[in-house]
Amino acid sequence: GENVEQHPSTLSVQEGDSAVIKCTYSDSASNYFPWYKQELGKRPQLIIDIRSNVGEKKDQRIAVTLNKTAKHFSLHITETQPEDSAVYFCAASTPGGGNKLTFGTGTQLKVEL
Amino acid sequence: NAGVTQTPKFQVLKTGQSMTLQCAQDMNHEYMSWYRQDPGMGLRLIHYSVGAGITDQGEVPNGYNVSRSTTEDFPLRLLSAAPSQTSVYFCASSYGAGGTTYEQYFGPGTRLTVT
Repeated sequence: GENVEQHPSTLSVQEGDSAVIKCTYSDSASNYFPWYKQELGKRPQLIIDIRSNVGEKKDQRIAVTLNKTAKHFSLHITETQPEDSAVYFCAASTPGGGNKLTFGTGTQLKVEL
Repeated sequence: NAGVTQTPKFQVLKTGQSMTLQCAQDMNHEYMSWYRQDPGMGLRLIHYSVGAGITDQGEVPNGYNVSRSTTEDFPLRLLSAAPSQTSVYFCASSYGAGGTTYEQYFGPGTRLTVT
């Protein structure tokens, strides 16, 4: 089955700096890669996603890049703010119905003032 | 439009007890899933359903049963609770059509402790 590895497990940045979180996946058939943000005690919330026919996608301060050859995708957050502090999860979905997601183990992002 | 709802929010069980975690969605989504979240391990898929009457196992199905008699509801049953099932359980739903993958919407979660 699919395996998703996520790094780093913790990341501390100064307010205004950029943050990058990286994930690799194992199944070359995976074709959908969402990123979720989870605040303490809350449900995961989708912040951005990318499909395998696209190399990059941006939404304001957030961007995701995908390298299908390397089976690698990354989340980029620019101009970080204290409210960006949360746990971020990457995930991968393989075709075949059911929208089954395999998640990475999460990155605790802390934005310091 | 309530989205995905889960009950209860918190539950404490003794080893060997059984219970059902409830999940409902009002978005007419075909796909529904159950995940468990443990510290340092992300979310792991327990069971999923692609429509009423159709369910299948995910990555960690042992000790859990599901059924889907309606599009709206997808309950998760713990047959004989064990301390290893202490976790936060999330239900999720999404559209499913033509093999395209769509955004999953998560419920608020149920925090289960088994003593």
